[in-house]
Amino acid sequence: QSALTQPASVSGSPGQSITISCTGTSSDIGGYNFVSWYQHHPGKAPRLMIYEVRNRPSGVSNRFSGSKSGNTASLTISSLQAEDEADYYCSSYTTSITPLYVFGTGTKVTV
Amino acid sequence: QLQLQESGPGLVKASDTLSLTCTVSGGSISSSTYYWGWIRQPPGKGLAWIGSAYYDGSTYYNPSLGSRVTMSVDTSKKQFSLRLSSVTAADTAVYYCVCLMAYSHYMDVWGKGTAVAVSS
Repeated sequence: QSALTQPASVSGSPGQSITISCTGTSSDIGGYNFVSWYQHHPGKAPRLMIYEVRNRPSGVSNRFSGSKSGNTASLTISSLQAEDEADYYCSSYTTSITPLYVFGTGTKVTV
Repeated sequence: QLQLQESGPGLVKASDTLSLTCTVSGGSISSSTYYWGWIRQPPGKGLAWIGSAYYDGSTYYNPSLGSRVTMSVDTSKKQFSLRLSSVTAADTAVYYCVCLMAYSHYMDVWGKGTAVAVSS
């Protein structure tokens, strides 16, 4: 099962908006609305930011939003803040071989 | 609030079996709402799903690990475990235990992670 494709890095200035793409196939992103996004500060546990494509868990800022079109999902961070600097990973449920989860290659966000 | 804590040796010899345990607190390990899983991150690389286990004993593993991986859930101890046999240097990673939502398929709660190195 191949990893989902993300850009290696994205950068932006404080206050700007950035978008991270996550490209898969019809067997994962395109086939299910079970796309989630995780923020990972090195040395800490990853944190759920978005689930089921566009839903935010309680406690996550509304500056984070998710969407999907075809086989590509996206995470947008608006009003970028210094604390948003981290690695971001997308993930999708898939049943191409057996029920499992595939992660994206990861994107380093620099503010 | 559900919390997870990994435990296990930080160093394993090549060809041996890696064994990790995750202790669940603040929630029910027997809940039908959750799967219990393991995810790892090798140095300098991204996250990779290892497998998931349900309270009833059913398991799902990443095919890339073949028959080397075994997971189980001990409801009496409120723990779930990972065993990975015949380890090599490629198994060196930070290992996270996670709580997955069974019907929405996302990792809701993560442990802090435990680093495991494989020595030759």
